[in-house]
Amino acid sequence: DGGITQSPKYLFRKEGQNVTLSCEQNLNHDAMYWYRQDPGQGLRLIYYSQIVNDFQKGDIAEGYSVSREKKESFPLTVTSAQKNPTAFYLCASSSRVPLGNEQFFGPGTRLTVL
Amino acid sequence: RKEVEQDPGPFNVPEGATVAFNCTYSNSASQSFFWYRQDCRKEPKLLMSVYSSGNEDGRFTAQLNRASQYISLLIRDSKLSDSATYLCVVNVNYGGATNKLIFGTGTLLAVQP
Repeated sequence: DGGITQSPKYLFRKEGQNVTLSCEQNLNHDAMYWYRQDPGQGLRLIYYSQIVNDFQKGDIAEGYSVSREKKESFPLTVTSAQKNPTAFYLCASSSRVPLGNEQFFGPGTRLTVL
Repeated sequence: RKEVEQDPGPFNVPEGATVAFNCTYSNSASQSFFWYRQDCRKEPKLLMSVYSSGNEDGRFTAQLNRASQYISLLIRDSKLSDSATYLCVVNVNYGGATNKLIFGTGTLLAVQP
């Protein structure tokens, strides 16, 4: 089955630790995105990538880093510099460039900082 | 003013009712529009894309009014399974090839038996 997978589903982190969230897609989509969702707020864009080995900052990139070494994979690292990392993290992909067309989401990772 | 605004609800309706959600957007350069459905603690799923004045898919009808910068979603014959949060999403062009999806905060629908 084609789709987007994210792992882990739940993640607990101690303050000061870096963690990496996985996102893989087998839809042959060119573009991939990372969002975070907080209660009562819309999804906010962290980073996006339109092509392998290239990525751009979104609206709230501070404290995060990404890589795009393969078309299928777009991992997100939440660093200790992110001041309020507890959130629901969603990865998405889309088949057309430029940005702005239908995006399809993975099941998400819930990160909790203890 | 938020770029995409929705009434947060909740909308509590009985089964079989017709319910309509509204959404306004502020950027007149917006090019395409979507409705996503999000169940509690799950990812958003694409419900409908709206590229012209509107379109219909079964019990769901989406309409777009570019002059008023307004999008609506109509659900007829509501089912219990329609209970979810409905996200209004707008594609905005910021110049050149840079487009971005802007998500509303969602409208919560609760269909009662």
